[in-house]
Amino acid sequence: EAGVAQSPRYKIIEKRQSVAFWCNPISGHATLYWYQQILGQGPKLLIQFQNNGVVDDSQLPKDRFSAERLKGVDSTLKIQPAKLEDSAVYLCASSHNTDTELRAVYEQYFGPGTRLTVT
Amino acid sequence: QKEVEQNSGPLSVPEGAIASLNCTYSDRVSQSFFWYRQYSGKSPELIMSIYSNGDKEDGRFTAQLNKASQYVSLLIRDSQPSDSATYLCAVIDSWGKLQFGAGTQVVVTP
Repeated sequence: EAGVAQSPRYKIIEKRQSVAFWCNPISGHATLYWYQQILGQGPKLLIQFQNNGVVDDSQLPKDRFSAERLKGVDSTLKIQPAKLEDSAVYLCASSHNTDTELRAVYEQYFGPGTRLTVT
Repeated sequence: QKEVEQNSGPLSVPEGAIASLNCTYSDRVSQSFFWYRQYSGKSPELIMSIYSNGDKEDGRFTAQLNKASQYVSLLIRDSQPSDSATYLCAVIDSWGKLQFGAGTQVVVTP
C-alpha cells in the first residue's frame, strides 16, 4: 500500500511571496490533515478534512492560509503572502475511516513533509 | 498548561539498556494515545497506539497507560543505535483532535 505523498519536498521563498503544497493521502483514507511543525515542537493541526468537507480549521490563519480538497482525494495548502514565521515543515496525514467507534480512525499516517524556508 | 507534556531530553541510553519515556496529558476525557518516532529530518512514524489501561507490547516496545494518573509511557527494550530519534507522545482530546507533545530526544550510545 502506497503511503501519503507530498510535494514539493523543499521550498525556499521570499516573504510576501505565495506557495502551494500538494498532498495525496493513502488510498481509501477519508480523513486528511495538514499540520505545521516548527523546529523543536510537535506538529500542530492546521486543518482537517473528512472527504471534501472541512471538519476543523480553528488553528488555520485564514488571512493568509487556505486549503482545499475538492474531490475528496488529494489536497492543496496555500500560503499567501508568506511571513518569516511560516518557516516550518508542513506535514500531511491521513486516517482510515470516519466511524468513530472504530479506533483505527484515530491512527494517522504522515507523509514525508515539505520543508518551507521563508527568507 | 500544555495539553501534552514530555521531557525534552536528550535521554542518553547505553546500547542494550531500557529507555523509559514519560508523557502526561491534561484532558481527562482522552481515550486514545499514541507514540510516534521521528528521525531527524523525517516525518513522524506511528509505532504504538494504546486505548486501555495497562501495558501493550509490540516487539521491543511496551506502552503503558494509566488514565487515573493521566500518564502514558513508552519502554524500549534492548535499545539499539537505530532507536536514536525523537519520540512524540500524542493524545486525542475531547474535540477529537490529535495533540502532540514536543517530543523526547533519545540518544543510544554504543
